[in-house]
Amino acid sequence: EAQVTQNPRYLITVTGKKLTVTCSQNMNHEYMSWYRQDPGLGLRQIYYSMNVEVTDKGDVPEGYKVSRKEKRNFPLILESPSPNQTSLYFCASRGDDYEQYFGPGTRLTVT
Amino acid sequence: AQSVAQPEDQVNVAEGNPLTVKCTYSVSGNPYLFWYVQYPNRGLQFLLKYITGDNLVKGSYGFEAEFNKSQTSFHLKKPSALVSDSALYFCAVRDKGNKLVFGAGTILRVKS
Repeated sequence: EAQVTQNPRYLITVTGKKLTVTCSQNMNHEYMSWYRQDPGLGLRQIYYSMNVEVTDKGDVPEGYKVSRKEKRNFPLILESPSPNQTSLYFCASRGDDYEQYFGPGTRLTVT
Repeated sequence: AQSVAQPEDQVNVAEGNPLTVKCTYSVSGNPYLFWYVQYPNRGLQFLLKYITGDNLVKGSYGFEAEFNKSQTSFHLKKPSALVSDSALYFCAVRDKGNKLVFGAGTILRVKS
């Protein structure tokens, strides 16, 4: 089954404690991205990657890092999380048909 | 930059009635437009897209959308709503770098 997986699905952490949210896709897509969803704001892109070792900032990259060492994986890293990063995060990958496939989401709470 | 607007925070419709969820866009060049649906505690699911061709696009679960260039709109429609259609709907447009720019979302509530 074609899918995008994310882990963990839920995470509660404290300010300043580094965390990583993993993302993996099994569709051999070159393009992957991370979004955050906040009420009334829709989804906003954090970072994207056009291919292995190629990443670029989206609209709200501050406080986040990503890496793309292999095609299937695109982890999101929060080096020093802050409460304003409390949000619902989605990983997505895109094929040649321009359709994006989204993961199930990771709900992050930073206290 | 490309953008989309969803003017309604919520749409209420009775089961069996037709539904419309509105979306307007602002783009330079030809728009690539999408509709996604999000059910509670789930990720976004692709419904349909317009890239080129017929202005009426048919998608998943009986949904369709009409691309109207003169009105810069891409409204989502369904002839007969189901209670199970209740969800959060997002309109999106492709921007440079192949990213999607999303609207704020519209909650659809279908009552029996």
